Amino acid sequence: GNSVTQMEGPVTLSEEAFLTINCTYTATGYPSLFWYVQYPGEGLQLLLKATKADDKGSNKGFEATYRKETTSFHLEKGSVQVSDSAVYFCALSDEGSSNTGKLIFGQGTTLQVKP
Amino acid sequence: NAGVTQTPKFQVLKTGQSMTLQCAQDMNHNSMYWYRQDPGMGLRLIYYSASEGTTDKGEVPNGYNVSRLNKREFSLRLESAAPSQTSVYFCASSPLGQKNQPQHFGDGTRLSIL
Repeated sequence: GNSVTQMEGPVTLSEEAFLTINCTYTATGYPSLFWYVQYPGEGLQLLLKATKADDKGSNKGFEATYRKETTSFHLEKGSVQVSDSAVYFCALSDEGSSNTGKLIFGQGTTLQVKP
Repeated sequence: NAGVTQTPKFQVLKTGQSMTLQCAQDMNHNSMYWYRQDPGMGLRLIYYSASEGTTDKGEVPNGYNVSRLNKREFSLRLESAAPSQTSVYFCASSPLGQKNQPQHFGDGTRLSIL
């Protein structure tokens, strides 16, 4: 079945460092891909999305490109800030289920940015 | 905008007790979802409601029931709570349940079963 695998954390970086969080997926068909962010004590918020191959999603300095050939959707940011400290989740829509929009999540990667 | 509202935010139960988690959205969304979040496992779908009047099992439905009360409200019930159900529960909604539409999440209910 469909699945999402993220790099294990925690990831600890200094402020202004470059960030990459790896995400790979297994899916039949053509899923949509998402990155969500969860700040401490809060629910998940959409960070960015891509709905077809070679699409690039971007928001708040974060980017991810939908790579069908490598089944990947890696999250990147050129210069992280302390305020980016959070848990990041990669997810895909369950493309095989018509009109349900079910999401399959990776296990989450904790990012800690130190001043 | 309130978005997705979950109540309560925290709850402690004893094994065998029952409880209903409430969720309401004010965005006129058709589809609603219940997930549980456990350390190292991401979020797993318990039940979902693609539209008012329908509910379906997700990945981990055992021990739970749901009710789509109306378009706004989707409740999750634990009939006889077990320690394995200690988790953080999230409700989410999306406009039409289509694959390219993101979901909007509530802030979660932190549930402990003793």
